[in-house]
Amino acid sequence: GIQVEQSPPDLILQEGANSTLRCNFSDSVNNLQWFHQNPWGQLINLFYIPSGTKQNGRLSATTVATERYSLLYISSSQTTDSGVYFCAVVTYSGGGADGLTFGKGTHLIIQP
Amino acid sequence: ETGVTQTPRHLVMGMTNKKSLKCEQHLGHNAMYWYKQSAKKPLELMFVYNFKEQTENNSVPSRFSPECPNSSHLFLHLHTLQPEDSALYLCASSQDRSQETQYFGPGTRLLVL
Repeated sequence: GIQVEQSPPDLILQEGANSTLRCNFSDSVNNLQWFHQNPWGQLINLFYIPSGTKQNGRLSATTVATERYSLLYISSSQTTDSGVYFCAVVTYSGGGADGLTFGKGTHLIIQP
Repeated sequence: ETGVTQTPRHLVMGMTNKKSLKCEQHLGHNAMYWYKQSAKKPLELMFVYNFKEQTENNSVPSRFSPECPNSSHLFLHLHTLQPEDSALYLCASSQDRSQETQYFGPGTRLLVL
């Protein structure tokens, strides 16, 4: 099956800093999502981005499908950005619904 | 609020108990999913239902039994679980194609004693 690798596994930053999280995947995908998991376990959708670039406030994401990677940028970090960030993908299939394959996540800690 | 709800939020059960987890989505989606998140392991897919039909069973032991009576509801029936089944169980929904955003519920945190 497809492999999803995220880096770095852990990241500690001061409030106000910028960060870049990376997701590499081993095969072509038709679905790539970035999530933020809060301390209570809720997965919060950040981006659906199988290709191209999107921005939402201080967050932006870029997926280069031909090179099989995606980047999540967080600017001017706040303590509320702390948590685990997951990348998840679906490979091309017969067209019906398919489950996501998740990476192991990046654990981000923003210190005041 | 993602439009996907799960009950109960927390569950403690013995290895001989039978319990059920419930998921409901209010998004008009046709596909629903069960995922498992164990400590120190990536989130892993368990089951996929599309238009109430099971389309994927990711080699899940038979002590986990899913049920999808309609496109809005998904259950996970649990019986004779093991302590290693303790985990966060997450439900998700999407439209009926893989190129669609999946939305997750808040999860049920299960402890098997």
